[in-house]
Amino acid sequence: EVQLVESGGGLVQPGGSLRLSCAASGFTFSDYSMNWVRQAPGKGLEWVSYISSRSSTIYYADSVKGRFTISRDNAKNSLYLQVNSLRDEDTAVYYCVKGWDPDYWGQGTLVTVSS
Amino acid sequence: DIVMTQTPLSSPVTLGQPASISCRSSQSLVHSDGNTYLSWLQQRPGQPPRLLIYKISNRFSGVPDRFSGSGAGTDFTLKISRVEAEDVGVYYCMQGTQFPHGYTFGQGTKLEIK
Repeated sequence: EVQLVESGGGLVQPGGSLRLSCAASGFTFSDYSMNWVRQAPGKGLEWVSYISSRSSTIYYADSVKGRFTISRDNAKNSLYLQVNSLRDEDTAVYYCVKGWDPDYWGQGTLVTVSS
Repeated sequence: DIVMTQTPLSSPVTLGQPASISCRSSQSLVHSDGNTYLSWLQQRPGQPPRLLIYKISNRFSGVPDRFSGSGAGTDFTLKISRVEAEDVGVYYCMQGTQFPHGYTFGQGTKLEIK
């Protein structure tokens, strides 16, 4: 059974940082690209970042470019998102998503940016 | 960037009756590899999104056959042949054709029971 379990969210002040993690199991993690997608409270979905299976290709949404960094450790079956210089508008549930056809989603981790 | 527009934004449906959601993209979603990366997601209340349909019409594993997808180019449709109570939630179309700009999602259509 495919499982994606996010962690690392929390309450942070504007300008602060967090490191989000996604632990993957139930599939060969190193064979798949991964994405982060976020959803602000009561709002729709917004793609954040993509990383290819071997980390050779990485993309970011314009709204997070220069502030967020995606990475992965295939030996640990883990995906990461380092989020820096946080703004109020970054408040959202952050989902880890498997593959380019987004076939599995984690339960999400909530990031709240507030003073 | 590609803009995805869904209609309607709200759909009250009677149990057992059909439902249909339309999604239009601002540009063709046909990728240079010949695929059309148009997917449909379901988000039940309090739950993460779940993949229903990928590449226009392919039903994902475990998705009931009352869900079907169709369309081509810029116009796509999700149909539910007979709505059940568990189908309540928000449905999103999304495109993954325009790389490297990532996914783009529709605004979401809220399906509720009359």
